[in-house]
Amino acid sequence: DTGVSQNPRHKITKRGQNVTFRCDPISEHNRLYWYRQTLGQGPEFLTYFQNEAQLEKSRLLSDRFSAERPKGSFSTLEIQRTEQGDSAMYLCASSITEGYTFGSGTRLTVV
Amino acid sequence: TQLLEQSPQFLSIQEGENLTVYCNSSSVFSSLQWYRQEPGEGPVLLVTVVTGGEVKKLKRLTFQFGDARKDSSLHITAAQPGDTGLYLCAGPLFMDSNYQLIWGAGTKLIIKP
Repeated sequence: DTGVSQNPRHKITKRGQNVTFRCDPISEHNRLYWYRQTLGQGPEFLTYFQNEAQLEKSRLLSDRFSAERPKGSFSTLEIQRTEQGDSAMYLCASSITEGYTFGSGTRLTVV
Repeated sequence: TQLLEQSPQFLSIQEGENLTVYCNSSSVFSSLQWYRQEPGEGPVLLVTVVTGGEVKKLKRLTFQFGDARKDSSLHITAAQPGDTGLYLCAGPLFMDSNYQLIWGAGTKLIIKP
C-alpha cells in the first residue's frame, strides 16, 4: 500500500467550470476525510465518510460541493460552478483510529 | 477565534539552535496530535499525546502534553534544515453533537544552514 493517493495534483480551471478530485485511501482504513487548506492556515474540515456513509458535512460547505464514496473505497469531491474563492489545496485523509494519513493534496487554482 | 492557538506563527533560526513551539487552548482535549507539513504536500503525523503530563520523544523532537490537557509543546534540539516545515497541532473536540478534529493555524519553521 502506497498511502493515500490524490489525483490530480494540480488543477487550473476557469471560473464557472466544474471540477472533480479523486482520493484513494489506505485500503484498510474505513474513515475518509476531505479538508481544504489555504495558505498560512490549518486544514479546514469539509466532510467525513465512514465506509460509504457520509456522516458529517461542514456547515461551511456550500451546495456547490458534493462528495461521494461509492462502495466505501475511493472518494470523489466535486465542485460545481467554481469561484475564485475555491482556490485552495484540497486534502484527503484516511484513518482507522486517531491519527490521520493525508494524501499530497490537489492544488486548485480558479482563474 | 482559534480553538487551538499556535505560537509563534513564524520562526526562523540557524541550524544547531534549539526551539520550542506551543499549542494552547482554553478547552480540555482527550488527546493532541502534531503534524509536519512541507510545501505542496499533506500533513504527516508525528505523534499523538494522550495522557496529561505525557512526554514523548522522537529523535531530536520532544512533545509534551500539559497536565490539564489544554496545551502541548514541541521542542526541537539542534535543529537541522530538514526540520523546516509547517508544524500543526490538532485535537478532537465534541462540538455540534459530534467529535470534530480541531486544527491550529500552524507554526512555520525555517532552519537556515
